[in-house]
Amino acid sequence: DADVTQTPRNRITKTGKRIMLECSQTKGHDRMYWYRQDPGLGLRLIYYSFDVKDINKGEISDGYSVSRQAQAKFSLSLESAIPNQTALYFCATSGFRDRDPRSYNEQFFGPGTRLTVL
Amino acid sequence: RKEVEQDPGPFNVPEGATVAFNCTYSNSASQSFFWYRQDCRKEPKLLMSVYSSGNEDGRFTAQLNRASQYISLLIRDSKLSDSATYLCVVKVPGTYKYIFGTGTRLKVLA
Repeated sequence: DADVTQTPRNRITKTGKRIMLECSQTKGHDRMYWYRQDPGLGLRLIYYSFDVKDINKGEISDGYSVSRQAQAKFSLSLESAIPNQTALYFCATSGFRDRDPRSYNEQFFGPGTRLTVL
Repeated sequence: RKEVEQDPGPFNVPEGATVAFNCTYSNSASQSFFWYRQDCRKEPKLLMSVYSSGNEDGRFTAQLNRASQYISLLIRDSKLSDSATYLCVVKVPGTYKYIFGTGTRLKVLA
């Protein structure tokens, strides 16, 4: 079973629609992240959360919002989708292990959501 | 200069060959570096972390050159299954943010 799951896996929507992408994890990690990937660009951080009460903007948060409903769940919303939000979206998690704080750097990604905004 | 820069490739190599990619970074204060592997349209997977001069895991070796501000990934005895895009990632010092390179594409040919 996948440790990090994302739903939906593919979505086509229209400009102006609200859409939510969901991420769940069974790894017991406290940190979760949302990235988007565009052709010719590296993954870019949208939002990140270190626990349920801690949510932070990444480098490209405009047009997006997030909700950390529980330690295991982190949702990304597009309030009013626009075509340049067409991209591959990844959720990632990281957590503490082996008494090594550097383990937080090791991110585990979900399978991605391919979003197309027409 | 881009924060993290990689040659996009593709690098086409025969099975069994040794291949190396470089990744340059602009922030001389960077301390934490990572290589991820990404298969087409799939999620990135962590291959290796580099915190000091280098790291080795089986056929894969990563080396850090702080003076010239680059990290390299060496793959020995290439397998067909090594065909993928390799992403270089650099942690921004003093933050919890990571800069991803655009990736280097490797094709191992039979």
